[in-house]
Amino acid sequence: GQQVMQIPQYQHVQEGEDFTTYCNSSTTLSNIQWYKQRPGGHPVFLIQLVKSGEVKKQKRLTFQFGEAKKNSSLHITATQTTDVGTYFCAGNSGGSNYKLTFGKGTLLTVNP
Amino acid sequence: DGGITQSPKYLFRKEGQNVTLSCEQNLNHDAMYWYRQDPGQGLRLIYYSQIVNDFQKGDIAEGYSVSREKKESFPLTVTSAQKNPTAFYLCASRWRETQYFGPGTRLLVL
Repeated sequence: GQQVMQIPQYQHVQEGEDFTTYCNSSTTLSNIQWYKQRPGGHPVFLIQLVKSGEVKKQKRLTFQFGEAKKNSSLHITATQTTDVGTYFCAGNSGGSNYKLTFGKGTLLTVNP
Repeated sequence: DGGITQSPKYLFRKEGQNVTLSCEQNLNHDAMYWYRQDPGQGLRLIYYSQIVNDFQKGDIAEGYSVSREKKESFPLTVTSAQKNPTAFYLCASRWRETQYFGPGTRLLVL
């Protein structure tokens, strides 16, 4: 079945440093989504990428979808303590049964 | 106040007992999902339902059962057949392609 790998598993940065997490799917995706889960909380939808090579920005967050629609990345510029949490990518391979396959997530901690 | 509610927040059960986790939504979404989250494992799909009176197994359905008798409700039963039921359980509903998660229930089986 479809697998979604995400690296790194953990990342600790100093406040102000940049952060990137990478996601790689074993199959071509119809779209990919990113979620953020704060410690003790539940996942919250951040964004969806659909087109090959797509790049989207949300303030300090930049999301990319690979040309082959099998990989994606999330880059945070100048991290802040409010960025702390686990970032998950979730791939959808399409079809009528809409299912997401989640990566294992990257836990980001920020030292103030 | 619209959203997804899960109750209770924490649940303790003895080994061998069945337990039912509640998930209710007033968002008028057709599709609903149950995930299990373990430390370092991400979210794994247990069951999902695209519409009332219909549901499908996810990737780790063994030891679990669900029902979808009403659009608003999608309860999950963790049966005694589930070998390692202690986990964080998340319910979600979907509008178009976005999933909206409830606050989760932490189940501890002793």
